[in-house]
Amino acid sequence: SQELEQSPQSLIVQEGKNLTINCTSSKTLYGLYWYKQKYGEGLIFLMMLQKGGEEKSHEKITAKLDEKKQQSSLHITASQPSHAGIYLCGALRGNFNKFYFGSGTKLNVKP
Amino acid sequence: NAGVTQTPKFQVLKTGQSMTLQCAQDMNHEYMSWYRQDPGMGLRLIHYSVGAGITDQGEVPNGYNVSRSTTEDFPLRLLSAAPSQTSVYFCASSTGSGQGNSPLHFGNGTRLTVT
Repeated sequence: SQELEQSPQSLIVQEGKNLTINCTSSKTLYGLYWYKQKYGEGLIFLMMLQKGGEEKSHEKITAKLDEKKQQSSLHITASQPSHAGIYLCGALRGNFNKFYFGSGTKLNVKP
Repeated sequence: NAGVTQTPKFQVLKTGQSMTLQCAQDMNHEYMSWYRQDPGMGLRLIHYSVGAGITDQGEVPNGYNVSRSTTEDFPLRLLSAAPSQTSVYFCASSTGSGQGNSPLHFGNGTRLTVT
């Protein structure tokens, strides 16, 4: 959905490096979801953020929601080849029955 | 728990043919939905359902029909396939709608090619 813009579209990093992926919404965010998709597979839920300023971490992945800026960032510390894949942000709209997603960020991690 | 199961994994159709993509979940989820994923377009919502007997349109519903006769199943029908429907289709479910706190659980997708 163009309502959710992700940047960058693709990213290649050396193993061990940190990286950040951004997701910006053109409309009010009621909640922001991050998913990871391995190439050729389904989406795996990573984290959900609901309140402005909320920050959650899982292993080496940290996500934060800036409600005022209508933006979320996903930060990976000390990247590993296992982090490679497509990261997508998603959000609820309108009557809360519709989940919309950004176009995704392709991440490659070079060993 | 199998989670969300989609069949088939791959399908090739000729223009004008019809087919049904199957989706089943064993988590007793009320909410189910269908997405298509195209390069550079991300995931786009086709149809969704908030419970048995209730369906509604998403962003790109044209050319697709759905029904929800049971909580477990949410099939997607292509009545007359077109090359523009070549895509990867994902089915997803969650515990409830309108809550804003239930993540979607995805199937592994169906890769459809229409020639």
